[in-house]
Amino acid sequence: DTGVSQDPRHKITKRGQNVTFRCDPISEHNRLYWYRQTLGQGPEFLTYFQNEAQLEKSRLLSDRFSAERPKGSFSTLEIQRTEQGDSAMYLCASGVGTLKGYGYTFGSGTRLTVV
Amino acid sequence: GNSVTQMEGPVTLSEEAFLTINCTYTATGYPSLFWYVQYPGEGLQLLLKATKADDKGSNKGFEATYRKETTSFHLEKGSVQVSDSAVYFCALSDPGNQGGKLIFGQGTELSVKP
Repeated sequence: DTGVSQDPRHKITKRGQNVTFRCDPISEHNRLYWYRQTLGQGPEFLTYFQNEAQLEKSRLLSDRFSAERPKGSFSTLEIQRTEQGDSAMYLCASGVGTLKGYGYTFGSGTRLTVV
Repeated sequence: GNSVTQMEGPVTLSEEAFLTINCTYTATGYPSLFWYVQYPGEGLQLLLKATKADDKGSNKGFEATYRKETTSFHLEKGSVQVSDSAVYFCALSDPGNQGGKLIFGQGTELSVKP
């Protein structure tokens, strides 16, 4: 098991373009989380899945953001019509549902720069 | 709402110095508390945890005690090494949220000089 994998590691895009990030969790983990981390701040919760069901979305997740986990395995996070304020590190974490927050493994993140 | 506040960084120490990074929290109920560490270019790693009042979490020489009376979870290490240079995040697991999401502080950067 290679841990939580995120792709790409870095993405530079022009304002107004759409971007999609991918997260491959640890295979036996049924929960998958997306967080956003801006420079000098701690990660902020965006959304989470239990298997393929998206069970909670933060108010930070505007209509331009959409996340999917189609078969309960990998997940994608899409940002449409990117804005400069979307520049951040997007972190994915996976875990087992019963561990209430202390069994999660984080990926190395995708750093998005919107120019 | 629930929140976590950490001391401002960066913190610069000499090798073998004593480390304290302060963390206080606001939460309803009884959260679980965590310290995560982020080394340059890497993801967050769980350093230690405590799930109830007076619990002490420890790992790799780091310790933190869950103090409900002062709503604190300060991170300590008796003798830091250059390899401890990283950003440290205090976090809580929202007790009212079954999803287990984490609420993080803003992070404290630690730089240890030889």
